[in-house]
Amino acid sequence: DIQMTQSPSALSASVGDRVTITCRASQDIGDLLAWFQQRPGKAPKSLIYAASILHSGVPSNFSGSGSGTDFSLTITSLQPEDFATYYCQQYSSYPVTFGGGTRVEIK
Amino acid sequence: QVQLVQSGAEVKKPGASVKVSCKVSGYTLSGLSMHWVRQAPGKGLEWMGTFDPEGGETFYAQKFQGRLNMTEDTSTDTAYMELSSLRPDDSAVYFCVINLFDPWGQGTLVTVSS
Repeated sequence: DIQMTQSPSALSASVGDRVTITCRASQDIGDLLAWFQQRPGKAPKSLIYAASILHSGVPSNFSGSGSGTDFSLTITSLQPEDFATYYCQQYSSYPVTFGGGTRVEIK
Repeated sequence: QVQLVQSGAEVKKPGASVKVSCKVSGYTLSGLSMHWVRQAPGKGLEWMGTFDPEGGETFYAQKFQGRLNMTEDTSTDTAYMELSSLRPDDSAVYFCVINLFDPWGQGTLVTVSS
């Protein structure tokens, strides 16, 4: 199975800050990586697929980059609604695997 | 707009089985790849399996092999996830999701307790 390692597991930031979350795959997955946002008590919401393509309706302050084994999600100018938990996911091969999550908290 | 509506919360005893449904509205289930993901309380997301309509195969995560059965009723556009031999650590919210990304069902809480 492909292991996905996210860091940090949690971070504190203020509204307006720039935040970067990283995700490392245990083997080359090309660009077959997605990012999800999950608010408490809600289903995950897809933000990015193919490492860098924003889903329709996702604000442009979200961006993704990377390929191979190293990826990142950047949120420029954090908004109040962006405080949530973020997960990376590889879909290069079954089983699909998720990173452990990064909780973005208000400082 | 495609929406997924899941069945309600369940409480089961250890050793029992649970069957969760996921009804598709706004589209037809045929040809869609339905995935199931679960989330234990306070924990991360765990992929369970999927039905691949192109090849007609199901793919299950190894840890659920022998306990998980995913089926579909295309006449009612409803997908089902049945997990047997339940243990307390199977207590989780179970989600269905189309094509791995979107949309997601609202989640079904399954509690396994004696």
